[in-house]
Amino acid sequence: GDSVTQMEGPVTLSEEAFLTINCTYTATGYPSLFWYVQYPGEGLQLLLKATKADDKGSNKGFEATYRKETTSFHLEKGSVQVSDSAVYFCALSDQESARQLTFGSGTQLTVLP
Amino acid sequence: DSGVTQTPKHLITATGQRVTLRCSPRSGDLSVYWYQQSLDQGLQFLIQYYNGEERAKGNILERFSAQQFPDLHSELNLSSLELGDSALYFCASSLGTASANEKLFFGSGTQLSVL
Repeated sequence: GDSVTQMEGPVTLSEEAFLTINCTYTATGYPSLFWYVQYPGEGLQLLLKATKADDKGSNKGFEATYRKETTSFHLEKGSVQVSDSAVYFCALSDQESARQLTFGSGTQLTVLP
Repeated sequence: DSGVTQTPKHLITATGQRVTLRCSPRSGDLSVYWYQQSLDQGLQFLIQYYNGEERAKGNILERFSAQQFPDLHSELNLSSLELGDSALYFCASSLGTASANEKLFFGSGTQLSVL
């Protein structure tokens, strides 16, 4: 079945540091890939998405590129801020699963001033 | 604010009991999804309803059931509760279903503690 593996946290960075959170997936067919973010006490919010190979999703300075050859969708940001502290989830949606999202285990990011 | 409302925010109960979690989707959204977030299992899809009908089922236990009412709100019923059912239960909604371009909107969750 479908699965998503993302790097384990927690990740602690200083403000303005470069961020990478690795995500790889296993899926049948051609899934859509997502990054969701969960701020403390809140539900998940879509951060960015990519629906086909080589697509780059971007939002709020975060980027991720759909790499079919390496089945990866790594999240990057060039300069993190304290306000980026949250839990980040990589997820996929397989067309055959009718929009059920399969999530990774989440990566806790803490950015220190 | 995602527009998805979940009640209650917190629920504390005992083993063997039954509880009902409620979700109101965003205005206009026809699909409701239920997810369970626990420390050991992570975020797992439980069940999806679309316009009142069950559309997809994930890792939902037989002790759990859900329904979507004509006004599109949904309820998740958890019975014969066990300690391991303690988790954060999320509801999400979307306009339709089965589209890669659709966005899911999540509520802030119901934290269930089974003592």
